[in-house]
Amino acid sequence: GAVVSQHPSRVICKSGTSVKIECRSLDFQATTMFWYRQFPKQSLMLMATSNEGSKATYEQGVEKDKFLINHASLTLSTLTVTSAHPEDSSFYICSAPGLAGARYNEQFFGPGTRLTVL
Amino acid sequence: ILNVEQSPQSLHVQEGDSTNFTCSFPSSNFYALHWYRWETAKSPEALFVMTLNGDEKKKGRISATLNTKEGYSYLYIKGSQPEDSATYLCAFRDPKLIFGQGTTLQVKP
Repeated sequence: GAVVSQHPSRVICKSGTSVKIECRSLDFQATTMFWYRQFPKQSLMLMATSNEGSKATYEQGVEKDKFLINHASLTLSTLTVTSAHPEDSSFYICSAPGLAGARYNEQFFGPGTRLTVL
Repeated sequence: ILNVEQSPQSLHVQEGDSTNFTCSFPSSNFYALHWYRWETAKSPEALFVMTLNGDEKKKGRISATLNTKEGYSYLYIKGSQPEDSATYLCAFRDPKLIFGQGTTLQVKP
């Protein structure tokens, strides 16, 4: 159990286009999902926390108008990179916590999306 | 800014060797320390959640220890196998997860 899928796994787009990445919890419900970004040779960095039915919470330095997050259902959160530029090229990965209410609950990760902006 | 450091960055061992690597984290306001195993093109897989000073956890040939007072955790792999090749991530719960850069292990047959 506790499987998270992410789609697409890889995307190449032209500068100025928008790209949507989907994160789904397949066998459990997630009122919260997390979006991370990883640049080469760096650690996973939390970008934002997605909350079902309400606004996402963004980490300092992450532009909310640039990275639009929608969490419309208990199993789906989407991240849209708007007007993507080459500097947005990165590895994006989502996670969802299991066991609602557990204090040290695990986060279950998707396999990630490699975005390349030309 | 909280810093989580992992060492070494990468490691090459022969099949059958035992190995260990380190995760260093802030020693104040400790919630939990997570270890993940991440194979290429797959999702990071949770190995351990460690919460108490002196915790030792084991899963097959992999074990981990925790010292919250000095701010470090060790991950040990006994008798490494090629299928152990992966990147091992630790994450300090702040309560959000703050990740180290990972240790990439390559086990040669």
